[in-house]
Amino acid sequence: AQSVTQLGSHVSVSEGALVLLRCNYSSSVPPYLFWYVQYPNQGLQLLLKYTTGATLVKGINGFEAEFKKSETSFHLTKPSAHMSDAAEYFCAVIRPSGAGSYQLTFGKGTKLSVIP
Amino acid sequence: ETGVTQTPRHLVMGMTNKKSLKCEQHLGHNAMYWYKQSAKKPLELMFVYSLEERVENNSVPSRFSPECPNSSHLFLHLHTLQPEDSALYLCASSRGQGAGGYTFGSGTRLTVV
Repeated sequence: AQSVTQLGSHVSVSEGALVLLRCNYSSSVPPYLFWYVQYPNQGLQLLLKYTTGATLVKGINGFEAEFKKSETSFHLTKPSAHMSDAAEYFCAVIRPSGAGSYQLTFGKGTKLSVIP
Repeated sequence: ETGVTQTPRHLVMGMTNKKSLKCEQHLGHNAMYWYKQSAKKPLELMFVYSLEERVENNSVPSRFSPECPNSSHLFLHLHTLQPEDSALYLCASSRGQGAGGYTFGSGTRLTVV
């Protein structure tokens, strides 16, 4: 079975500081990994994804994540936090769910607060 | 606008009511999903439709009934709900197995009174 664990349900950073949101996965096969962001009262928006190829993945809004197989991690980073980054972030993995279909399984989410 | 449209955005219903949630996508995707998002709980996959056929039902109570009449439309029919069913219901779509990620709608905030 594949799953993801997000460390820290709530992270606070100062504006301009580094953002680091942690995600570890468990997978018996090479995973497809994703980060999504959810702003208040909205749906989920895809930030970035890792499928194959380069392990450092760049996404929207200046975010990036690095797939580290040896650490089974896919942490999300941004060099300098902006007030508009305050939102909830979800790490997710694609896993087979039977009958040839796949499903996206989410972590519990990390709420990011940015302090002025 | 993400390309996946959900209506209504907000819904308040009594436990004896019958209502339906609607989801529409014109992205050319061939798989659609219903997720439930409750406070303090992980996102829960409810139903998966691939090529208009239901391929997954994660043990959802029968008071939730999905319908997928074509690859662009997905409904969630609700009847005799309980207060604990109050949540944000999210629709998503994907191409094929979803390796490129899912596209989500903005959700319907459901309150059962």
